[in-house]
Amino acid sequence: LAKTTQPISMDSYEGQEVNITCSHNNIATNDYITWYQQFPSQGPRFIIQGYKTKVTNEVASLFIPADRKSSTLSLPRVSLSDTAVYYCLVGDAPEAAGNKLTFGGGTRVLVKP
Amino acid sequence: ETGVTQSPTHLIKTRGQQVTLRCSSQSGHNTVSWYQQALGQGPQFIFQYYREEENGRGNFPPRFSGLQFPNYSSELNVNALELDDSALYLCASSLGRLEGSYEQYFGPGTRLTVT
Repeated sequence: LAKTTQPISMDSYEGQEVNITCSHNNIATNDYITWYQQFPSQGPRFIIQGYKTKVTNEVASLFIPADRKSSTLSLPRVSLSDTAVYYCLVGDAPEAAGNKLTFGGGTRVLVKP
Repeated sequence: ETGVTQSPTHLIKTRGQQVTLRCSSQSGHNTVSWYQQALGQGPQFIFQYYREEENGRGNFPPRFSGLQFPNYSSELNVNALELDDSALYLCASSLGRLEGSYEQYFGPGTRLTVT
């Protein structure tokens, strides 16, 4: 199971782009990278998942370099409501891993006015 | 389409007692996973049920057990409660591992306090 390292916390301001980098130096060939968001007193919410290069959806982009030893979640033009904990997860292909999620400590993002 | 619901919202139990937490999965989802989240920590995987069978278990003792019913709702049972069992218990439903996605839909959780 690949260990992930991400910053404990980050501060930003409304309207800015927030980039959170996750290190996963021992990522395996079949591992996928997934990001979740969690607001206080709520369950986590899926943001994005990728294997290599770049993935974009309506809320975020995920950048994965060729060596896949790190990944960066990019949140464009954040608002106060984006204040949350963001988790980076790395694990075997869902079909093999049984869709089990392994969460680390996460990054607490605080968006200020 | 209703989301994942959990009951009760909050619960206070005494050490040594037993507790049952309930989860209704999102419509059409056949897989339910349970997680324990201590204050300030990330969620920890307890176990998963797929079509009424246990399909993977995390590092939790046997006093943590579960069930999945034919309608894919689920229960988490914890026997002989300990103070360290105080946590937020999260249920998540999904379409299952064959969908090729780690997207799971979480409920709001049950806050369990053991005194």
